[in-house]
Amino acid sequence: EAGVVQSPRYKIIEKKQPVAFWCNPISGHNTLYWYLQNLGQGPELLIRYENEEAVDDSQLPKDRFSAERLKGVDSTLKIQPAELGDSAVYLCASSLGGRGRVNNEQFFGPGTRLTVL
Amino acid sequence: DAKTTQPTSMDCAEGRAANLPCNHSTISGNEYVYWYRQIHSQGPQYIIHGLKNNETNEMASLIITEDRKSSTLILPHATLRDTAVYYCIVRVQNTDKLIFGTGTRLQVFP
Repeated sequence: EAGVVQSPRYKIIEKKQPVAFWCNPISGHNTLYWYLQNLGQGPELLIRYENEEAVDDSQLPKDRFSAERLKGVDSTLKIQPAELGDSAVYLCASSLGGRGRVNNEQFFGPGTRLTVL
Repeated sequence: DAKTTQPTSMDCAEGRAANLPCNHSTISGNEYVYWYRQIHSQGPQYIIHGLKNNETNEMASLIITEDRKSSTLILPHATLRDTAVYYCIVRVQNTDKLIFGTGTRLQVFP
């Protein structure tokens, strides 16, 4: 079974340019997450989707970040314009979701490493 | 969610047991202890979780103290491939939010 797929794996852009990351979750997983991971730190949640609905976007910097999950499957995370401080790894994860699930294990993709020059 | 405290780094000889401690003194009664690990250049990977009983699976064992204020993840026979950052997380059941700390960097040496 394929895991969570992310692309691109690496991206280098100049500041003020836009950038987009794509995520394809595990088939059948209703919940999708985007995390940001700075060097030497643990991942931090940016946004969580239940199907196509964003149910937790409280940590998403909405002035420059946006995300969408059309049709409740693939998702795209966009930054416009990118700043130097956005250099980090952007991780996507998915889980089966659903209330009452004892262990809603999250499966992570390999991430996209963004470098802003 | 309760905060966790872990040592920054640990070493372990290959073939020996790796015991990774975690303090979560403010854990609430309905919060579970989860462990994930992150191998270099990969996303985090689920290892194990527990509420109050000790748990074991094919990857590791989780020992939770009776007062639930601390726990230990045990890798019974560490291999070089177990070199990774190990995150201890407490999470309220039926919520999907994982709050990662900085974890413990485990180095397994030959």
